[in-house]
Amino acid sequence: KAGVTQTPRYLIKTRGQQVTLSCSPISGHRSVSWYQQTPGQGLQFLFEYFSETQRNKGNFPGRFSGRQFSNSRSEMNVSTLELGDSALYLCASSLPGTSTDTQYFGPGTRLTVL
Amino acid sequence: AQSVTQLGSHVSVSEGALVLLRCNYSSSVPPYLFWYVQYPNQGLQLLLKYTTGATLVKGINGFEAEFKKSETSFHLTKPSAHMSDAAEYFCAVSLSGGGADGLTFGKGTHLIIQP
Repeated sequence: KAGVTQTPRYLIKTRGQQVTLSCSPISGHRSVSWYQQTPGQGLQFLFEYFSETQRNKGNFPGRFSGRQFSNSRSEMNVSTLELGDSALYLCASSLPGTSTDTQYFGPGTRLTVL
Repeated sequence: AQSVTQLGSHVSVSEGALVLLRCNYSSSVPPYLFWYVQYPNQGLQLLLKYTTGATLVKGINGFEAEFKKSETSFHLTKPSAHMSDAAEYFCAVSLSGGGADGLTFGKGTHLIIQP
């Protein structure tokens, strides 16, 4: 089975712009979670989608949003970018409610805000 | 609220020596506990997880961890370090077995293997 894929792998934006990141989960997985990783704050949970519905949300401002499509692919959007949004954004997929329920992570998208 | 504390941002061991990475957690309910490893420029890979049952959990690459409720600890060990073990290790806690409610991670421990 192919793993979790994230596109693009690297992205450079300027302050004030917006960005959309994409995540394709492992085939059959219906839950997709997003995390932000920075040297200062470490790994922080953004949100989780299951069957196109946001079920769980971390403590991030409304500039961070996401959605999930019927094929379980997910996108994350950050509007009005700030310098502090520079980070590695990780996506993870899982199949909740099964004996093999485990989060599998993608390689991440490295976002640099100038 | 849950939290995870990893003691030691950097741990250095000699190749062949015991690896011990420390993790303490705080949770108001029985937690699910995880160890992940991250190699440079890669995502996170699950090493092992504790849900219920046996408190000694065996994972991949020879790693294991023991859940000690009385000490609120979940330390990661490996009897003999290998150069390929050099990476960043993260302990995490969740309210659900798979972590879809949101994993709470520790700050990470960078494991250095000396030849």
